[in-house]
Amino acid sequence: DAKTTQPNSMESNEEEPVHLPCNHSTISGTDYIHWYRQLPSQGPEYVIHGLTSNVNNRMASLAIAEDRKSSTLILHRATLRDAAVYYCILRPYGGSQGNLIFGKGTKLSVKP
Amino acid sequence: IAGITQAPTSQILAAGRRMTLRCTQDMRHNAMYWYRQDLGLGLRLIHYSNTAGTTGKGEVPDGYSVSRANTDDFPLTLASAVPSQTSVYFCASSAELAGGTDEQFFGPGTRLTVL
Repeated sequence: DAKTTQPNSMESNEEEPVHLPCNHSTISGTDYIHWYRQLPSQGPEYVIHGLTSNVNNRMASLAIAEDRKSSTLILHRATLRDAAVYYCILRPYGGSQGNLIFGKGTKLSVKP
Repeated sequence: IAGITQAPTSQILAAGRRMTLRCTQDMRHNAMYWYRQDLGLGLRLIHYSNTAGTTGKGEVPDGYSVSRANTDDFPLTLASAVPSQTSVYFCASSAELAGGTDEQFFGPGTRLTVL
């Protein structure tokens, strides 16, 4: 399985943008890039996913490098509620087993 | 509110006892999963089911069994609990209609302590 590399932790100030990086140099052509986050004492929740093009939704934006070997999750204005562990996950299209393979993720702290 | 429910919320269990963790979803999703999360680590897959009537082993299946008699329910059973099974257990589901791009929905988790 293709692996991802993320910083262990990052800090941000409230109301400022946050850029969470993810390296996935061994990504294959059929791997989608998924982001999930886990708030304290809760189950993970879906944030966004993409294949090649940048993606936007109500929660965040996903910027994917042209060679797809890295991506960045962008939170446009961090709030205290965004403090969580963020997981970058590669998921192959059409796989027989649809589970997500979680790494340790990036723990984001947001300061008021 | 539609989603996934898990029961119990938490449980303290004596080693050697049998325990079933319950998971129910009302989204009519095809696929369901059980993960465990140990302190400070990411989630690891225990068992999964792509559709009712089928199950498969994940990364850490030993000591656990599952069944999928219908679409909504996916119970996880520990036949004889051991202390190393102390963990937080998350159930998840996804529609699996889009070849692997579907969002997974997670339950609130069951915190299990085996003494």
